[in-house]
Amino acid sequence: NAGVTQTPKFQVLKTGQSMTLQCAQDMNHEYMSWYRQDPGMGLRLIHYSVGAGITDQGEVPNGYNVSRSTTEDFPLRLLSAAPSQTSVYFCASTGAGSYEQYFGPGTRLTVT
Amino acid sequence: GQQVMQIPQYQHVQEGEDFTTYCNSSTTLSNIQWYKQRPGGHPVFLIQLVKSGEVKKQKRLTFQFGEAKKNSSLHITATQTTDVGTYFCAGPNFGNEKLTFGTGTRLTIIP
Repeated sequence: NAGVTQTPKFQVLKTGQSMTLQCAQDMNHEYMSWYRQDPGMGLRLIHYSVGAGITDQGEVPNGYNVSRSTTEDFPLRLLSAAPSQTSVYFCASTGAGSYEQYFGPGTRLTVT
Repeated sequence: GQQVMQIPQYQHVQEGEDFTTYCNSSTTLSNIQWYKQRPGGHPVFLIQLVKSGEVKKQKRLTFQFGEAKKNSSLHITATQTTDVGTYFCAGPNFGNEKLTFGTGTRLTIIP
């Protein structure tokens, strides 16, 4: 199993550009989530999904969209990038009946 | 909303010394989880505590969950260079399983 994979590893965007961060897991986990990590602020939940077709907002959802058309994939879309979205983004998944979150390797995003 | 704070934010210790990080939630937690993130890496699950007053050990690591289920601690005995990283606690509210992460404690070891 590859676990949780994320692409790209690094990305530089200009203000106003849009892009999609990809996340996939091959563990048949129902629960998937997106976090952003900023220095001194821990991990903050952006959006999460409890299963295909179901998504909900986390703590910091503004400026981001998600969709969950399959169990495996949970892409995160930045609609119009802003410098405040410069961060490291982690995708995570959790199996049914478990609380343990498996994290992907992260995407380091810089918005200039 | 729920807040989860950790202290200290940073800790520098000599190799062989003990280390403790404390986690405090503004609300009661159904469970508490601990994660470790090595520099440049991603968070990795260490353990979950569920019961009030629970204590669990993993080799040199001891985890405690408070009686009121609002605080927790991680204690490392005789630190080694492999313990370097940031330790996060995380917990969901009762009735709301969205996970809130603590601010983390960054541990550095002086050889």
